[in-house]
Amino acid sequence: NAGVTQTPKFQVLKTGQSMTLQCAQDMNHEYMSWYRQDPGMGLRLIHYSVGAGITDQGEVPNGYNVSRSTTEDFPLRLLSAAPSQTSVYFCASRKRGDLYNEQFFGPGTRLTVL
Amino acid sequence: AQSVTQPDIHITVSEGASLELRCNYSYGATPYLFWYVQSPGQGLQLLLKYFSGDTLVQGIKGFEAEFKRSQSSFNLRKPSVHWSDAAEYFCAVGAGAGNMLTFGGGTRLMVKP
Repeated sequence: NAGVTQTPKFQVLKTGQSMTLQCAQDMNHEYMSWYRQDPGMGLRLIHYSVGAGITDQGEVPNGYNVSRSTTEDFPLRLLSAAPSQTSVYFCASRKRGDLYNEQFFGPGTRLTVL
Repeated sequence: AQSVTQPDIHITVSEGASLELRCNYSYGATPYLFWYVQSPGQGLQLLLKYFSGDTLVQGIKGFEAEFKRSQSSFNLRKPSVHWSDAAEYFCAVGAGAGNMLTFGGGTRLMVKP
């Protein structure tokens, strides 16, 4: 199993540009989520999904869109990038019904918005 | 809503010394509790997890954590720190809708030779 994969690893955007961060998992996990990591603030939940076709907002959803058309993929879209979205983005997945609700994280995407 | 506080932003210990990283959470019921470690430029690695049962939890790399309901704490400990333990440590609570994680701000550990 590859686990949770994210592409790209690094990205530089100009203000106003759009892009999609890709996330895929091959563990047949029902739950997937996106977090952003900023210094001193830990990781904060952006959006999450409990299954294909179902998404919901987390703590910091503004400026981001998601969709979940398949169990495996959960892309994160920035429609008009802003410098405040400079961050490291982590995708995670977990299996419904797991006793500990343990989440598995991808390696992250480092995004810089100029 | 749940919250997690890690009071110590930076901690420096000497190699071989003992370590305790503090974590306090706020949640009405018993939460799922986790400690993650992140080395520079790397992703998150799960050290240990707790939901129920024995309140002293053993994890990987010689780490352990103790859940204290009365103090709403889940402190991470290691009896003898190695230079390779230098990293950032995050405490997290799984609770609320979807049991998604709420993280503390992290504690950066430095190890002196």
